[in-house]
Amino acid sequence: GAGVSQSPRYKVAKRGQDVALRCDPISGHVSLFWYQQALGQGPEFLTYFQNEAQLDKSGLPSDRFFAERPEGSVSTLKIQRTQQEDSAVYLCASSLPLLGILPPYNEQFFGPGTRLTVL
Amino acid sequence: DQQVKQNSPSLSVQEGRISILNCDYTNSMFDYFLWYKKYPAEGPTFLISISSIKDKNEDGRFTVFLNKSAKHLSLHIVPSQPGDSAVYFCAAKWEGSNYKLTFGKGTLLTVNP
Repeated sequence: GAGVSQSPRYKVAKRGQDVALRCDPISGHVSLFWYQQALGQGPEFLTYFQNEAQLDKSGLPSDRFFAERPEGSVSTLKIQRTQQEDSAVYLCASSLPLLGILPPYNEQFFGPGTRLTVL
Repeated sequence: DQQVKQNSPSLSVQEGRISILNCDYTNSMFDYFLWYKKYPAEGPTFLISISSIKDKNEDGRFTVFLNKSAKHLSLHIVPSQPGDSAVYFCAAKWEGSNYKLTFGKGTLLTVNP
C-alpha cells in the first residue's frame, strides 16, 4: 500500500544551480498536484496535472519553475537558477479524477515533501 | 492577502479536554472546507471536511462547525489525545474549481498527558 513518495527528501543547492524534484503518485491516481510550503506558511498551490496534461500552472511563481509528467505517472518539478527565496518544502499530492458533479472534491493524498535549501 | 486565516499559531490542551481550532476566511466564493493534520517530516493528511451548505459535520472525536455569516469555521476534538499533537491546517476550495485549495498557516496543537 504505497502512498505518494518524493525524492530526494532533502536538497541543498547553491544559488544559481538547477534542481529537479521527483514525485511518484499513488498508482491509479490520474490527478497530480505540486505545492510550495515556505517556513511558517501553509502549502500554496503551484500546478495541476491530469494524466500527462498540465491543466493549471497558475501558481508557478516564475518561469524558472517548470513541471512535467510525460507518461502520466511520475512527475518532476524543475527549478532553474535557484534563488534563496525558493527555499521551501515542495509537496506533491495525487488524487482520483473527479467523476460527474459529486463529490465536489476528491481527497488529495500528500507525499512527505522535499525540503529545498538554497544557500 | 491571506484568504484563509488561522490566527492562533499554537494551542496547548490537557489530555481528555476539548481542543478547539479556529479558522476564518474572507472569500465568500469558497464552497468546501477541509482540515488537514500534519506530523513532522510527513505530508498533510486529510482529517475532515464540510460543504458550505452544511453547518456541522462529525466524524468520531472530530467535529467541524461552519458559520457562513461570520465566515468562520472551527474544529473540535473531544476528547483530546497526545497522538493528536500535530499542526492542523484549514483549507478552502473555491466554487469555480474542483481541486484548487487555499490553506491557512496552520495551528500547532500540543496535547499534554
